[in-house]
Amino acid sequence: EAAVTQSPRNKVTVTGGNVTLSCRQTNSHNYMYWYRQDTGHGLRLIHYSYGAGNLQIGDVPDGYKATRTTQEDFFLLLELASPSQTSLYFCASSDGDGDWGSAETLYFGSGTRLTVL
Amino acid sequence: GDSVTQTEGPVTVSESESLIINCTYSATSIAYPNLFWYVRYPGEGLQLLLKVITAGQKGSSRGFEATYNKETTSFHLQKASVQESDSAVYYCALGPFYQGGRALIFGTGTTVSVSP
Repeated sequence: EAAVTQSPRNKVTVTGGNVTLSCRQTNSHNYMYWYRQDTGHGLRLIHYSYGAGNLQIGDVPDGYKATRTTQEDFFLLLELASPSQTSLYFCASSDGDGDWGSAETLYFGSGTRLTVL
Repeated sequence: GDSVTQTEGPVTVSESESLIINCTYSATSIAYPNLFWYVRYPGEGLQLLLKVITAGQKGSSRGFEATYNKETTSFHLQKASVQESDSAVYYCALGPFYQGGRALIFGTGTTVSVSP
């Protein structure tokens, strides 16, 4: 069973604050993703990566940076946090070795609830 | 565009009653979309409930079923008799999107509460 661990579980910061959300996966998956979940919206993709040092832009990247330092670790950075970034953030990983055209199972962490005051 | 629309919640059902959560999709940029149901139990992350990659096929897991209907672009989730442990948020999802790696597009989620 793939394991994805996010930290912290909860975070409160103020407008303009600097926040880093961490994600570690222990199954040597190639792909890692950051999503945010807001009421009335599905999970929306912020950034993703297909390996250490790689970063790709998702659908809602504004205000976020991300960095994949190792195969296991993927970080989401909010350098000037705003109240609109108050959300539930999920990290996920997938293998990425299947055939193109075949979607793979994503394995999710438990989420980080971020509040920006 | 590509999108997923599912039953708005919250949905409340009594134990042993049946449950159906509707899901319809639009997949304009994927020739052969794969369809998924994920579930999130309280305090946990999303986990795969079932997946169907071929139109006309049915997926099943933990008593839940969903049939991939290409004609009606639907993938409704059903269970004949729910239990209190089925209380969770259910997400319909569609993929893969090459521009998003293997990323999926998710619906808004449907919160289901099962009362004893």
